[in-house]
Amino acid sequence: EVQLVESGGHLVQPGGSLRLSCAASGFSFSNYWMSWVRRVPGKGLEWVANIKQDGSEKYYMSSVAGRFTVSRDNANNSVFLQMSSLRAEDTAVYYCARTADRSFDYWGQGALVTVSS
Amino acid sequence: DVVLTQTPLSSPVTLGQPASISCRSSQGLADGNGRTYLSWLHQRPGQPPRLLIYKISNRVSGVPDRFSGSGTGTNFTLKITRVEADDVGIYYCTQATHFPQTFGQGTKVEVK
Repeated sequence: EVQLVESGGHLVQPGGSLRLSCAASGFSFSNYWMSWVRRVPGKGLEWVANIKQDGSEKYYMSSVAGRFTVSRDNANNSVFLQMSSLRAEDTAVYYCARTADRSFDYWGQGALVTVSS
Repeated sequence: DVVLTQTPLSSPVTLGQPASISCRSSQGLADGNGRTYLSWLHQRPGQPPRLLIYKISNRVSGVPDRFSGSGTGTNFTLKITRVEADDVGIYYCTQATHFPQTFGQGTKVEVK
């Protein structure tokens, strides 16, 4: 059974940093692109970033480029999202999602990130 | 960025009756090879989204056949032939043909 479990969500002050982790199991992790998607209160879903199977390609939405970094550890079936210079508008539930043929076919339960003073 | 516009934004339905959601794109979603990366997701309250349909009309394994997707170019539709109680929640269309991947605003389906 495919499972994705996020961790690391927290309350953080504006300008602060946070690292989200996503532990994957039940599939051959190194064969898939992985993505981070967030649900922003009152705004719906936004794609945040994704990373190729071997980590050689990474892409970001424009508002987080330069502040967020996606990475992965295929030996430990994990994907990460390092977030810095956090803003109030980054407040959201962050999901990691397996990406197959450009579709998000499995999702984690999500990690809540709240940016507030 | 490609803008996906869903209508309606809210859909009160009677159990056992059909429902239909439209997703209109600001650009054509077919790529140079003729593939169209338009998917539909369903999110129940307190749950993560779940993929229902990918590449316009391909139903994910385990998704009931009362769900169907159709469309071409810039106009796409998700249809539910007979709404059941489990179908309530928010439905999103999403495109991955053009960078960055974008989502529609979501359509809330609720029982009358």
